[in-house]
Amino acid sequence: QVQLQESGPGLVEPSETLSLTCAVSGASITDYYWSWIRQPPGKGLEWIGYIYYSGSTNYNPSLKSRITMSVDTSKNQFSLSLTSVTAADTAVYYCARTYSSRNHFDYWGQGILVTVSS
Amino acid sequence: DIVMTQSPDSLAVSLGERATINCKSSQSVLYSSNNKNYLAWYQQKPGQPPKLLLCWASTRESGVPDRFSGSGSGTDFTLTISSLQAEDVAVYYCQQYFNTPYTFGQGTKLEIK
Repeated sequence: QVQLQESGPGLVEPSETLSLTCAVSGASITDYYWSWIRQPPGKGLEWIGYIYYSGSTNYNPSLKSRITMSVDTSKNQFSLSLTSVTAADTAVYYCARTYSSRNHFDYWGQGILVTVSS
Repeated sequence: DIVMTQSPDSLAVSLGERATINCKSSQSVLYSSNNKNYLAWYQQKPGQPPKLLLCWASTRESGVPDRFSGSGSGTDFTLTISSLQAEDVAVYYCQQYFNTPYTFGQGTKLEIK
């Protein structure tokens, strides 16, 4: 079955860069679009952006200046980098899959809590 | 951005009764060329990721009980749980994928009365 697993530091200092990776199993990363979505504690969901295996990306304009996404087809995984973090970036970060660029999220990772604090 | 607004914010329903959650988009999410509404519903239980319930406004995901149904078109949508079960206690979100940035409603918390 399809599984997504986020990994990365759970604590990042203010002004530093948050870096997360999502490892995909049970599906080829070349066949789908891959998104990052975040959820601040006790709040709603915010789509961060997506990447296709070709390297094509689409980022949320609210975060675009601070985001970079990349994909590693040899490892079947993709990554998120968010620069200049503040406490407002504290959230559970999810990776998720869509069948195409305009489609619903059918598989999600379990999520990873990233806290921005010194 | 397309703003998604859900109502109510919270809802308490007795076991076996009907629960109805509404979702309104700030612009139509109906794509005229294929007559599809680019609208999904998710269920999120504490400590878990969202789970896809319905896509294309009314298509039930595999394995989702048939007590969950979706309706609506254009800008107004409804999620209905026909007979509430204890395991349905959760927060429910609608989401549009018509345009980027994809956006979610603020969530509706469903509890047992």
